[in-house]
Amino acid sequence: QKEVEQDPGPLSVPEGAIVSLNCTYSNSAFQYFMWYRQYSRKGPELLMYTYSSGNKEDGRFTAQVDKSSKYISLFIRDSQPSDSATYLCAPSDTGFQKLVFGTGTRLLVSP
Amino acid sequence: EAGVAQSPRYKIIEKRQSVAFWCNPISGHATLYWYQQILGQGPKLLIQFQNNGVVDDSQLPKDRFSAERLKGVDSTLKIQPAKLEDSAVYLCASSFGGHSNQPQHFGDGTRLSIL
Repeated sequence: QKEVEQDPGPLSVPEGAIVSLNCTYSNSAFQYFMWYRQYSRKGPELLMYTYSSGNKEDGRFTAQVDKSSKYISLFIRDSQPSDSATYLCAPSDTGFQKLVFGTGTRLLVSP
Repeated sequence: EAGVAQSPRYKIIEKRQSVAFWCNPISGHATLYWYQQILGQGPKLLIQFQNNGVVDDSQLPKDRFSAERLKGVDSTLKIQPAKLEDSAVYLCASSFGGHSNQPQHFGDGTRLSIL
């Protein structure tokens, strides 16, 4: 079993849709949960992060963590074609240094 | 603020040849990371430097991979000899200081193809 699992997609949605991207993990020591966005032929960029369980909102993006079920979600409201990218979840037990990346989910938002 | 610079952007070599990648981190960033990202997978940490010292190289295939960070700034990653399975994007990242609460900033990577 992989430490972090993501559906690779692609996930295709029309512009304006609400997108749900999900991760599961097996290591109960993970306390920090990062989401990175990676455009084609670019490096990952930090989108947002949460600590422990709960929700965090930033504009159109909401990150949700359920530690009891080891389930991480990223919601994108009013999706735009510019959101088309691969979204990587990266939990950690020590903060930003020791990241364990999922495989990433490729999102395609069509106009 | 200039980002993490990597070169070359692309490299094609034959198996058993050697190759080197270069990384210039964001100015003032003490921590530097090298990752390997195979197509369809997430980045996997190869080595982490704190200034010019190695913090973690547990996933670096030391029989063929080597890395150095002279003077605690630029870094090079070398593969010798290359194997077909080394085809991947090699990403460099840096972060400020040695604290776990400082996010990593990634370069755009070097795409390596082994023939």
